[in-house]
Amino acid sequence: KAGVTQTPRYLIKTRGQQVTLSCSPISGHRSVSWYQQTPGQGLQFLFEYFSETQRNKGNFPGRFSGRQFSNSRSEMNVSTLELGDSALYLCASRSGETTDTQYFGPGTRLTVL
Amino acid sequence: DQQVKQNSPSLSVQEGRISILNCDYTNSMFDYFLWYKKYPAEGPTFLISISSIKDKNEDGRFTVFLNKSAKHLSLHIVPSQPGDSAVYFCAASAMGNQFYFGTGTSLTVIP
Repeated sequence: KAGVTQTPRYLIKTRGQQVTLSCSPISGHRSVSWYQQTPGQGLQFLFEYFSETQRNKGNFPGRFSGRQFSNSRSEMNVSTLELGDSALYLCASRSGETTDTQYFGPGTRLTVL
Repeated sequence: DQQVKQNSPSLSVQEGRISILNCDYTNSMFDYFLWYKKYPAEGPTFLISISSIKDKNEDGRFTVFLNKSAKHLSLHIVPSQPGDSAVYFCAASAMGNQFYFGTGTSLTVIP
C-alpha cells in the first residue's frame, strides 16, 4: 500500500501571499489530520477531516483552513502568510475507527520571507 | 494547555544499553497511545501503540508501558542502536478524537 503523500515538499512564499498544500491519504483511510511543527513546539494540531467534514479543530486563526474531497484527498490553505507561519506542515491519515493508528506523510516545508 | 508532556527534551545512551523515554498525560479519558520516531525534515514514523485496556505492548526491541493510575507512559528500547538516534514523540487520543502530542525527546545513541 502506498503511504501518505504530500505536495509540494518545499515551498517559499512571501508575507501576505496565500498557499495551498495537498495531502493524499493511504488508500481506504477516510480521516486526514493536519499538523504544524516548529522548532521546540512539537506537533500542533490544526484540524481533522473525516468523510469530507471537519471533525476536530485546533487553536489556529481562521487564516488556516482546509477541505477534504470525496476521494479523501485533503488540502490545507493558509491566507495572508506571516513570517511565523514558516514551519513543517504534516498530514496524517487513519482509517477513522475509534482506536486506530495515524500515519504521517513526509511533510511540506513552508518558508515565508 | 499541554495535555501530553515529555519533560526530558534530550537523552543520551550508550549503544547496547536500554533507552527509556517518558511521557505524562493529564486527561484520564485518553484511551489510545502511540509512539513515533522522527528524523529531521521527515514525517514521524509510527513505532508502537497501546490501548488503555493493556499495560504493556512489545514489538521487537520496543516495549511500551502504560501506568493509568499515574497517567504515565514509557517507551523502552533494548538494546539501543545508533540508528535509533532521532526525536521521539508520544501521542494520545480519547475515543477516536484528535491526537495530542508531546513536545518530543531527542535520543542520541552513542556508538
